[in-house]
Amino acid sequence: QVQLVQSGAEVKKPGASVKVSCEASGYTFTDYYIHWVRQAPGQGLEWMGWVSPNSGGTNYAQKFQDRVTMTRDTSIRTAYMELSTLISDDTAVYYCARDRAGYSSTWGQGTLVTVSS
Amino acid sequence: DIQMTQSPSSLSASVGDRVTITCRASQSINAYLNWYQQKPGKAPKLLIYAASSLQSGVPSRFSGSGSGTDFTLTISSLQPEDFATYYCQQSYSAPRTFGQGSKLEIK
Repeated sequence: QVQLVQSGAEVKKPGASVKVSCEASGYTFTDYYIHWVRQAPGQGLEWMGWVSPNSGGTNYAQKFQDRVTMTRDTSIRTAYMELSTLISDDTAVYYCARDRAGYSSTWGQGTLVTVSS
Repeated sequence: DIQMTQSPSSLSASVGDRVTITCRASQSINAYLNWYQQKPGKAPKLLIYAASSLQSGVPSRFSGSGSGTDFTLTISSLQPEDFATYYCQQSYSAPRTFGQGSKLEIK
């Protein structure tokens, strides 16, 4: 079945970077964009950007433009989201989701990133 | 950026009730509007895409309508498993903004 499996929870200090992975299975990896969405504790959903597994092209929300890098490794069907210069407000659950034609039909289970000194 | 505003932010209803949640975009987004359901500790689940298309496997009591700037999600007869938070999202342009969410609670 179609599945996205994310890496485990992370605890980082302010100023550090985090890299979250998202491994796809059950479909042709290069046929769907991978979007990243985060959710701070008790808050709503915030779209961060997408990566095209086919071309490697990216599109980032302006808010994260200077700090986020989304990549993919087609050989292992995995997408990555790296966020740098972490602050406490980056504490959130980070989700990947596959998307084609404008909607995200399958989501990963989420990765909790905690930023704390 | 396109702003998405949902109403109400929270509501209480009973099993069997008909419930409507609205979503308004700050500019026309044609029919590029999705609805997601999220339960505590879980990833969002796609319910409706392109404003009115029911995602495969989603019960037919869920329906969506609208175009341009005004959209609605309707649950025709609430079931116990429907108590959750609902989000709209526009896919007309990046950034793909979400509404703030509508929390549906049991009365």
